[in-house]
Amino acid sequence: EDQVTQSPEALRLQEGESSSLNCSYTVSGLRGLFWYRQDPGKGPEFLFTLYSAGEEKEKERLKATLTKKESFLHITAPKPEDSATYLCAVQTYSGGGADGLTFGKGTHLIIQP
Amino acid sequence: DSGVTQTPKHLITATGQRVTLRCSPRSGDLSVYWYQQSLDQGLQFLIQYYNGEERAKGNILERFSAQQFPDLHSELNLSSLELGDSALYFCASSVGPTTYEQYFGPGTRLTVT
Repeated sequence: EDQVTQSPEALRLQEGESSSLNCSYTVSGLRGLFWYRQDPGKGPEFLFTLYSAGEEKEKERLKATLTKKESFLHITAPKPEDSATYLCAVQTYSGGGADGLTFGKGTHLIIQP
Repeated sequence: DSGVTQTPKHLITATGQRVTLRCSPRSGDLSVYWYQQSLDQGLQFLIQYYNGEERAKGNILERFSAQQFPDLHSELNLSSLELGDSALYFCASSVGPTTYEQYFGPGTRLTVT
């Protein structure tokens, strides 16, 4: 069974204090790893897709990286508007077709001014 | 705004009742996915449709069913509702069955009393 574990569960940072969120996964065959941002009561907002170990993607203050066992979401000089829950998800090969994503429980990030 | 629309935003109903949630995918997307998000389980994949046909099933209960219509909108039917079915229900869409990025709608909050 595919498993996705995110750590820490919650993280409180000061504005400008850089940090990293971790997503470790155990899957039979990784098709892709996804990062989403979710604000309270809203739908997840797509951030990145990573397909193979060594791949990196950046968007504003966020940078996602992927190894064979885990992914990191690095947040550089965060601002209060970066406060949200960050979700990691995997999609695996299962006989063709795109199946649903398996999500981790998320990291609740709070950036204090 | 992801381009995925869901109605209604909120739904309050009693145990034993039946409800229908509606989703319209982004323009051009052929795949629709349904997810359930509860506090204890996190985001869980329920079912996927592609161009009107069921494509993949996740943790969907037998009391739940879905369909995708010729105009590509989808409906999720929940019957014999229990208190534990109270959750946020999200619809997501993607271009095709093997396209990986899924874009989520704003969700329907279901409360069963």
